[in-house]
Amino acid sequence: DTGVSQNPRHKITKRGQNVTFRCDPISEHNRLYWYRQTLGQGPEFLTYFQNEAQLEKSRLLSDRFSAERPKGSFSTLEIQRTEQGDSAMYLCASSFTGASNQPQHFGDGTRLSIL
Amino acid sequence: EDQVTQSPEALRLQEGESSSLNCSYTVSGLRGLFWYRQDPGKGPEFLFTLYSAGEEKEKERLKATLTKKESFLHITAPKPEDSATYLCAVQGDTGFQKLVFGTGTRLLVSP
Repeated sequence: DTGVSQNPRHKITKRGQNVTFRCDPISEHNRLYWYRQTLGQGPEFLTYFQNEAQLEKSRLLSDRFSAERPKGSFSTLEIQRTEQGDSAMYLCASSFTGASNQPQHFGDGTRLSIL
Repeated sequence: EDQVTQSPEALRLQEGESSSLNCSYTVSGLRGLFWYRQDPGKGPEFLFTLYSAGEEKEKERLKATLTKKESFLHITAPKPEDSATYLCAVQGDTGFQKLVFGTGTRLLVSP
């Protein structure tokens, strides 16, 4: 059973640059989520896809952030014109749509550091 | 707005010393309360889902319980490998799928 895979694991970039992260969910899961976690805090919800449709976006997701999930498989999260405050761990999770709420299974994240 | 508060922030136990972690929540219609374990540099690892007051789940040395206002994660005879941050999250009935997390309890078990 392959878990959620995220790449890269670490990203260091200069302020103002664009970055893109990739998430490959568990293969039979059709729901995919992005969260952001800063040191000492719990993960904060960013956005959610069911198949290829982006159904929910947090107000934390400014217009510098964009997420896609073409063909309902892997997803990408892009941050344009990065700022110091974007430094965080970006976590992806996936879940299966079932009769009751299914648990979300997380990858090990991409740690973003802005110089 | 859904909210989760976890206590204590940090807990240090001796191996074999049982204790409990608390998760207090306010949510507009609970669809599920979730416990996760997170090791440094890793993503959260799913432990339990609780759906209604009175429900209990167990896994090895861990037992999760749920009331209408809070959940407890009981750790019986912990071992050093139980050291981690334990996160609690709720999902409300607003029709959205997001989890709202607390800030976690950092548990350190000394041999």
